[in-house]
Amino acid sequence: EVQLVESGGGLFKPGGSLRLSCAASGFTYSSYAMNWVRQTPGRGLEWVSSISSSGSAVNYAASVKGRFTISRVNAWNSLYLQMNSLRVDDSAVYYCARADCSGGSCRIDHWGHGTLVAVSS
Amino acid sequence: SYVLTQPPSLSVAPGRTARITCWGYNLGSTSVHWYQQKPGQAPVLVISYNTDRPSGIPERFSGSISGNTATLIISRVEAGDEADYFCQVWDGSADHPYVFGAGTKVSVL
Repeated sequence: EVQLVESGGGLFKPGGSLRLSCAASGFTYSSYAMNWVRQTPGRGLEWVSSISSSGSAVNYAASVKGRFTISRVNAWNSLYLQMNSLRVDDSAVYYCARADCSGGSCRIDHWGHGTLVAVSS
Repeated sequence: SYVLTQPPSLSVAPGRTARITCWGYNLGSTSVHWYQQKPGQAPVLVISYNTDRPSGIPERFSGSISGNTATLIISRVEAGDEADYFCQVWDGSADHPYVFGAGTKVSVL
């Protein structure tokens, strides 16, 4: 059974930093691209960042580029999101999400349970 | 950037059919994926590539696409189908490759 378990969320101050982690199990982790997707009541589901299966290619939403860094350690079946220069509008539930791509399209076929990040002074 | 438009809400009686629409420019030229999200839970993929149903998803869930509109169809609606439903497309050439609709809240009367 595919499992994605996030950790690292909590309450943080604007301008601060945190690192989210995602522990993957139940599949060959090194074969899949991975994503971070966040969700707020106001903005809905918002893609944040992607990393290729090898980790050699990364991509970021414009709203987080230059502040967030996605990384992975395939030997540890782990995914990370380093979040710096936090802003109030980074507050959201952050999901670790497995990508499955075929025929020129990608879907998210498995999601973690999510971890809540709240940014407030 | 690509925009997907969904109705905010939909009410349906038990046993009836719910049709949730997702509109996007030239949507018929891409693949649409659908997710179900119940309160306090993570999204679950229920339809992918317009019409494919992942393993474990009831046959009551189906998808269709015509022109600029994709539709998630829930037949014989049950109380447990009450949830938010999101459509999604992938635009590899865009800054935001994963594009989600705002979601439709389905209420079972």
